[in-house]
Amino acid sequence: DAKTTQPNSMESNEEEPVHLPCNHSTISGTDYIHWYRQLPSQGPEYVIHGLTSNVNNRMASLAIAEDRKSSTLILHRATLRDAAVYYCILRYSGGGADGLTFGKGTHLIIQP
Amino acid sequence: DAGITQSPRHKVTETGTPVTLRCHQTENHRYMYWYRQDPGHGLRLIHYSYGVKDTDKGEVSDGYSVSRSKTEDFLLTLESATSSQTSVYFCAISERTEQFFGPGTRLTVL
Repeated sequence: DAKTTQPNSMESNEEEPVHLPCNHSTISGTDYIHWYRQLPSQGPEYVIHGLTSNVNNRMASLAIAEDRKSSTLILHRATLRDAAVYYCILRYSGGGADGLTFGKGTHLIIQP
Repeated sequence: DAGITQSPRHKVTETGTPVTLRCHQTENHRYMYWYRQDPGHGLRLIHYSYGVKDTDKGEVSDGYSVSRSKTEDFLLTLESATSSQTSVYFCAISERTEQFFGPGTRLTVL
């Protein structure tokens, strides 16, 4: 399986944008890039996903490099509630029965 | 929030006893999953289901069995619990792309 590499932790200030990087140099053409986050003492929650084009939703934006070997999750204005572990996951096709392969993710710390 | 519950939420048991964890959904989603999460690891897939009575193994399936007799319920059974199965167990459901996770069950095997 193609793997992802993320920084162990990042720190940001409240109300500032946050850019969370993910490297996936062995990504295949059929792999979608998914992001999930896990708040303390909760199950993971879906954030966003994309294939080639940049994507936006109410939670975040996903910027995908032209060669698809890296991507960046962008939180436009971080709040304390965004403090969580963020996981970048590659998944064959957009959905289906296969489970998610989680790495260790990036622990995002938000300073007030 | 997706209608997904797990029971029990906490359980302490002894080595060698059988344990069954239940995942219940009200969303009528086709796919259901069991993951475990341990310190220093991300979530790891145990088993998944792609329909009633249709299940398959995940990355860490040894020592676990599952059953899905109804769309809404997915049971995870530890036939003879061991201390290495002390973990937090998460159930997830999915219909297409997003997976929705339950609140988790904290299992301690003494």
